[in-house]
Amino acid sequence: SQQGEEDPQALSIQEGENATMNCSYKTSINNLQWYRQNSGRGLVHLILIRSNEREKHSGRLRVTLDTSKKSSSLLITASRAADTASYFCAIYTGAGSYQLTFGKGTKLSVIP
Amino acid sequence: ETGVTQSPTHLIKTRGQQVTLRCSSQSGHNTVSWYQQALGQGPQFIFQYYREEENGRGNFPPRFSGLQFPNYSSELNVNALELDDSALYLCASSLAGVDEQFFGPGTRLTVL
Repeated sequence: SQQGEEDPQALSIQEGENATMNCSYKTSINNLQWYRQNSGRGLVHLILIRSNEREKHSGRLRVTLDTSKKSSSLLITASRAADTASYFCAIYTGAGSYQLTFGKGTKLSVIP
Repeated sequence: ETGVTQSPTHLIKTRGQQVTLRCSSQSGHNTVSWYQQALGQGPQFIFQYYREEENGRGNFPPRFSGLQFPNYSSELNVNALELDDSALYLCASSLAGVDEQFFGPGTRLTVL
């Protein structure tokens, strides 16, 4: 089963605008990660936030985590056409082997 | 530093056949995880190998099996293929104890 659920399923914005994607999950986590996937190919790791962190930045990316609401958001500022991709959140519960549980993803389209 | 590579890129099989997918992990990584990604879904964890032993398994039947070799490369074997096995198979390598996983470009398997 997929515990992470992204929202919205699809998002279309103009270049230069900000894009916000949300992720909700159901269990306690050790960390939450965001990945990007272009055209159904390999996943690229974007950012990891640990359960004791509330916000993290990396370039144009900002991730927040609210463990009380079991939710996270990914903000991409000043979007570019090259940001067009599917974005997935993945959780690691901290139990057992290091397996990630992914959501279904948000498909972002950035229109030039 | 060589990234994660997978072969073949694409594969077409018929129902009932067997398939072997291959993954070369990133230099220095000793852990390999395999994920199945159906169309429009997020990746689902199949299993993980660490030091040539299975180190965790997702909700997949025994006809999904794997191997890890001394050089940390890995194989995913699927017996008695079913139509629902059609998916993108992703391999991810990592260093035990380190959070980030590096994904390969995937192998797209089509079962007719």
